[in-house]
Amino acid sequence: DQQVKQNSPSLSVQEGRISILNCDYTNSMFDYFLWYKKYPAEGPTFLISISSIKDKNEDGRFTVFLNKSAKHLSLHIVPSQPGDSAVYFCAALDRSNAGGTSYGKLTFGQGTILTVHP
Amino acid sequence: NAGVTQTPKFRILKIGQSMTLQCTQDMNHNYMYWYRQDPGMGLKLIYYSVGAGITDKGEVPNGYNVSRSTTEDFPLRLELAAPSQTSVYFCASRQGSSGYTFGSGTRLTVV
Repeated sequence: DQQVKQNSPSLSVQEGRISILNCDYTNSMFDYFLWYKKYPAEGPTFLISISSIKDKNEDGRFTVFLNKSAKHLSLHIVPSQPGDSAVYFCAALDRSNAGGTSYGKLTFGQGTILTVHP
Repeated sequence: NAGVTQTPKFRILKIGQSMTLQCTQDMNHNYMYWYRQDPGMGLKLIYYSVGAGITDKGEVPNGYNVSRSTTEDFPLRLELAAPSQTSVYFCASRQGSSGYTFGSGTRLTVV
């Protein structure tokens, strides 16, 4: 039961253009969403997050959009740079159950490999 | 500022051998987690801990054991290694509503 899905295994973009990475979820209890970036031979690093009370969060070149009714979020990178080439993971959290059985466990999508060509 | 440190970075095990993956964090985080990442898959939670002396199973705990005797350390034990445990293992920690801090991973191959 994949509660967080990233249906595009890979994305290729030209430098300077926009990269859009998508993520869908099925669990309506998720109320906090995060994007992680992972380079080879390194652990995932936090990129940007969004609470379910918002529909947009921006941080420099990175913007995350949340559509709760569609249970969909997306990460926009503008402009894309070759250094952005990495695996991007979408993750979701049910913070209301932080003291219960979930204990703040992140549920991850499968990841999308982003390649930005010079 | 070391963050989360995992050792070893690489290991090859024979079927049936045992080993311990080490994880330590210096941020005084209460929550610690072990994930595994298989090719084309997201990270799957193996075990987690909400503080010293408290651990619980995640999604894929079979074949693993953990302990949390101190806040800093959260080792993951494989007792009888199997090929299905070939994976990349990530340890992470968290405090409050902050995001996770991940270690750099341990790449384990069981042959």
